[in-house]
Amino acid sequence: DAGITQSPRHKVTETGTPVTLRCHQTENHRYMYWYRQDPGHGLRLIHYSYGVKDTDKGEVSDGYSVSRSKTEDFLLTLESATSSQTSVYFCAIRDRADTQYFGPGTRLTVL
Amino acid sequence: GENVEQHPSTLSVQEGDSAVIKCTYSDSASNYFPWYKQELGKRPQLIIDIRSNVGEKKDQRIAVTLNKTAKHFSLHITETQPEDSAVYFCAASREGTYKYIFGTGTRLKVLA
Repeated sequence: DAGITQSPRHKVTETGTPVTLRCHQTENHRYMYWYRQDPGHGLRLIHYSYGVKDTDKGEVSDGYSVSRSKTEDFLLTLESATSSQTSVYFCAIRDRADTQYFGPGTRLTVL
Repeated sequence: GENVEQHPSTLSVQEGDSAVIKCTYSDSASNYFPWYKQELGKRPQLIIDIRSNVGEKKDQRIAVTLNKTAKHFSLHITETQPEDSAVYFCAASREGTYKYIFGTGTRLKVLA
């Protein structure tokens, strides 16, 4: 499992509320990623990080922000959740062999 | 922009038959090609990968082939079993960069 955990694993929230998802890794990997997975769309990159305080946007970054203040933690924030952000969110790390390993996922429902 | 096309989107095979999933990538600088298997409700998990200096790689019933000229790579599963039923994703990446482009997935059903 490459030492990746995500919290919470499930969350139900209401439209307009802020939500923060946490990804934690124990193996000191430089690259971390946030994806969302929706039926018919596969895995879409939201944001990624290439080091502490170094982050950049992916293909579906609107409505999301991220922070990485420590190597081991990568936070994804929905400032004001919308129903279109109902999805399964996966965090991933990339190891030195360039392989990505995924966390267990967070199922987010926005009512 | 860069993309990876994956076909077919769904595939049904009889148990014991072979299954082949194909991906085509657009970025000619891509040099690392992993395949992931995702069971229902679980995370994607790496099952095999290949780098551009190799044309084929095998691991028991699974093999991956790469044609750099045509920018194609394929996953081959022989002697399929019901537990092979899952969604399979291909990806293309450039080593040392953040870029990791995923295909849209193939739902494989192995019929007993």
